[in-house]
Amino acid sequence: DAGITQSPRHKVTETGTPVTLRCHQTENHRYMYWYRQDPGHGLRLIHYSYGVKDTDKGEVSDGYSVSRSKTEDFLLTLESATSSQTSVYFCAISESGTGGNEQFFGPGTRLTVL
Amino acid sequence: QKEVEQNSGPLSVPEGAIASLNCTYSDRGSQSFFWYRQYSGKSPELIMFIYSNGDKEDGRFTAQLNKASQYVSLLIRDSQPSDSATYLCAVEADTGFQKLVFGTGTRLLVSP
Repeated sequence: DAGITQSPRHKVTETGTPVTLRCHQTENHRYMYWYRQDPGHGLRLIHYSYGVKDTDKGEVSDGYSVSRSKTEDFLLTLESATSSQTSVYFCAISESGTGGNEQFFGPGTRLTVL
Repeated sequence: QKEVEQNSGPLSVPEGAIASLNCTYSDRGSQSFFWYRQYSGKSPELIMFIYSNGDKEDGRFTAQLNKASQYVSLLIRDSQPSDSATYLCAVEADTGFQKLVFGTGTRLLVSP
């Protein structure tokens, strides 16, 4: 399995509070991604990173920010959590190479915003 | 907006049968295609990827790609109850940043 961990694995928080999710990899992969997965919507890209301090928005970035100060860590922050951000959040990593752009996923974080 | 379409299912097959999962995509320029398996409550797991037209086989799994018709399929031979899961199709969206667009998945149920 790819060396990807996410923390916390479960979190319950209240509307209006800031929340930070952490993704940590030991593969030294260049690309990192944050997705959310909701019934009926599948996996949707929130933000991604193509290097240290290089990040960009994905499909559903409103209300989220990210930071990547080290190759191994990619943080996702919900600036002021809302109930619509209740979801399962997955981090993924990828490295360009002969195999192409396969992405490998972390175990996920289940976030509930009350 | 690049789209990837899958039938949500469930697709029900008996043990030992061939399961056929299909996916269509809208971006004619897409070059890379991926199949992931996701068990309930778990993260997606990469099964196969395919880049060239035709078939690619890996054990009981065969991926088929037809770029002219813009579809990709996954065949699972000798289906087992342990294959019961949701199968996600993903299509390359942006080669430069290794981005993928995912379908919503097809739920497969294999009955003993």
